Amino acid sequence: DAGVIQSPRHEVTEMGQEVTLRCKPISGHDYLFWYRQTMMRGLELLIYFNNNVPIDDSGMPEDRFSAKMPNASFSTLKIQPSEPRDSAVYFCASSLSSLTQYFGPGTRLLVL
Amino acid sequence: TQLLEQSPQFLSIQEGENLTVYCNSSSVFSSLQWYRQEPGEGPVLLVTVVTGGEVKKLKRLTFQFGDARKDSSLHITAAQPGDTGLYLCAPEPDSWGKFQFGAGTQVVVTP
Repeated sequence: DAGVIQSPRHEVTEMGQEVTLRCKPISGHDYLFWYRQTMMRGLELLIYFNNNVPIDDSGMPEDRFSAKMPNASFSTLKIQPSEPRDSAVYFCASSLSSLTQYFGPGTRLLVL
Repeated sequence: TQLLEQSPQFLSIQEGENLTVYCNSSSVFSSLQWYRQEPGEGPVLLVTVVTGGEVKKLKRLTFQFGDARKDSSLHITAAQPGDTGLYLCAPEPDSWGKFQFGAGTQVVVTP
């Protein structure tokens, strides 16, 4: 298996623009997690899904952030409008029955 | 919410030295995982400890789970530059499958 795939790997955008991050989990995994990592706040859980259903989105910073999982093999995290404080590394991870988490390589987002 | 404390926050050592990092909580865990995140990559699972007092070895890395299952340590013997990374601990997920990671210990091993 190729592991968790995230795209793009790097994104530079201007404040106010819409940003869409994509994730393909490991085939057969039933949990999918979105994290944000910064030096100041560490690794923060934003939202996670079980069998494509959002379970807990309490970590989503505000209404500018939204996430979807239309099927078992694809998820998106959208920021609209983006702000400079959203600059961070965004990780997607998947797991089977909530055991070991397998992380993707991350998307490095810079909002100017 | 379980409060996890990892210490130290940052550790810089020379190649060949030993180091120990800690993961502590006031809560009792049924298991605990250690992950390592190398620069530019996502975290990768190193080990899962499940029994109080358990010691697991992974080459030069020794993981210990406290007898009371509230704390854990990771000891690296003769550190190498390849050990550089962010070491994160995480207890078992809650009943809803939610993971919680500690803030991590950043380890830098210089040649």
